Amino acid sequence: DTGVSQDPRHKITKRGQNVTFRCDPISEHNRLYWYRQTLGQGPEFLTYFQNEAQLEKSRLLSDRFSAERPKGSFSTLEIQRTEQGDSAMYLCASSLRQGVADTQYFGPGTRLTVL
Amino acid sequence: KNEVEQSPQNLTAQEGEFITINCSYSVGISALHWLQQHPGGGIVSLFMLSSGKKKHGRLIATINIQEKHSSLHITASHPRDSAVYICAVANFGNEKLTFGTGTRLTIIP
Repeated sequence: DTGVSQDPRHKITKRGQNVTFRCDPISEHNRLYWYRQTLGQGPEFLTYFQNEAQLEKSRLLSDRFSAERPKGSFSTLEIQRTEQGDSAMYLCASSLRQGVADTQYFGPGTRLTVL
Repeated sequence: KNEVEQSPQNLTAQEGEFITINCSYSVGISALHWLQQHPGGGIVSLFMLSSGKKKHGRLIATINIQEKHSSLHITASHPRDSAVYICAVANFGNEKLTFGTGTRLTIIP
C-alpha cells in the first residue's frame, strides 16, 4: 500500500498526558499537511510542511502542539498536557507540489479521545 | 460567516435519483476540491478543479469562478454513494484547504 498512513488509528488518553501521532506520506510527496476534525464539522487546517520546513501554523495550534518533519519524509504531531477539547480526528494529507494546485491525499486519521 | 458554505447539510434520496450538492465560497482560490468521507473518517479526493467541469463515472463537478460557486452532481445514485461530501477551497501559494461542513448524503434502496 503506497498511500498515506497514520499511526495510531485510535488513541485514548487521560487529561494532562502527552500524545504523539505519526504520519507517513506518499514517498515522493514534498508537501505534508495536518488537519483536525471535530464531530460534525469539516476539517480545519493546523500546519503544513514543504520538505522539512514548517511553513505555516494555524492559530488553532496552541503552544501545546508541536509538529516536525525532520528528514522531509514522515511527520509527527505532539500534543502536550492534553485537554478534553483536544478530542478530535487528526488527519494528515500529502501532495506533490508541481503546478498551481495540487491534489491532496489523505490518511485514515488518528482519532484522539481525551478523558 | 464561513468562507465555504455547503448546501444542503443533509440529503436523503431514493436510489436512482439525480443528486446535486452546492458549494459557495467567498475568497479567491487556486482550486476547489470535492472530497468524500465515509464513516470511520477516511477522506478520498474526488475532484480538483479551477474552471469548467470534470466528470468521473457517475460524478460530475462544475465550478463558476465569477460566481464563486461549485456543484457536485451524482447521476443514477446508489446506496454505496452514501457518505459525507465535503467541499474545500485551496489558497494560492500554500494550497492549504479551507473546508465546508459537509453534506451528509443517504441513498435509500
